[in-house]
Amino acid sequence: GESVGLHLPTLSVQEGDNSIINCAYSNSASDYFIWYKQESGKGPQFIIDIRSNMDKRQGQRVTVLLNKTVKHLSLQIAATQPGDSAVYFCAENIQGGSYIPTFGRGTSLIVHP
Amino acid sequence: DAGVTQSPTHLIKTRGQQVTLRCSPKSGHDTVSWYQQALGQGPQFIFQYYEEEERQRGNFPDRFSGHQFPNYSSELNVNALLLGDSALYLCASSLSGRADYGYTFGSGTRLTVV
Repeated sequence: GESVGLHLPTLSVQEGDNSIINCAYSNSASDYFIWYKQESGKGPQFIIDIRSNMDKRQGQRVTVLLNKTVKHLSLQIAATQPGDSAVYFCAENIQGGSYIPTFGRGTSLIVHP
Repeated sequence: DAGVTQSPTHLIKTRGQQVTLRCSPKSGHDTVSWYQQALGQGPQFIFQYYEEEERQRGNFPDRFSGHQFPNYSSELNVNALLLGDSALYLCASSLSGRADYGYTFGSGTRLTVV
């Protein structure tokens, strides 16, 4: 499944499928990007980050892709599990000074067993 | 090791009243940032405190003010509450405001203005 964050805020997938969550960022000066996971009743939790000098970064079951030409980020989750159900936010930041991420609206991921 | 703790967890206030929310940063962190998260939206930056001073501020009116204490804990005050102030208020702590030293969010305070 695939979602464009702001226009399709909910993504439903079956357990075991791969999930792709997309995000368009707004500031061409942003050079640090972060994906957060927010479960119900909790604050955002860091998943993975990427700097603007990279196109791809992999973590455990997650991969972030960055396309600076079109100001687009995606988060790929492999073998999605019910515990992955949450709202996912991309955030952007301009290096220099304090880290103050600017969040997008978010995409709700629902994983069906 | 305790993470970021916020109190209270839930709060109901009447329009026009004042409210104070509290945040204790993660051990070893010295910078506290506050965010407002309306239902179905991403967190919006309110302000950041470092060395007991407001270092940066987002696009929020002066009704929103804060304070940081010598032990790095922080308070967020909102005066003359409006219905639109109903939201989840999140606190995040870090070391010197840097992301690579860990930027940790608390679970938030749910404020309802009636």
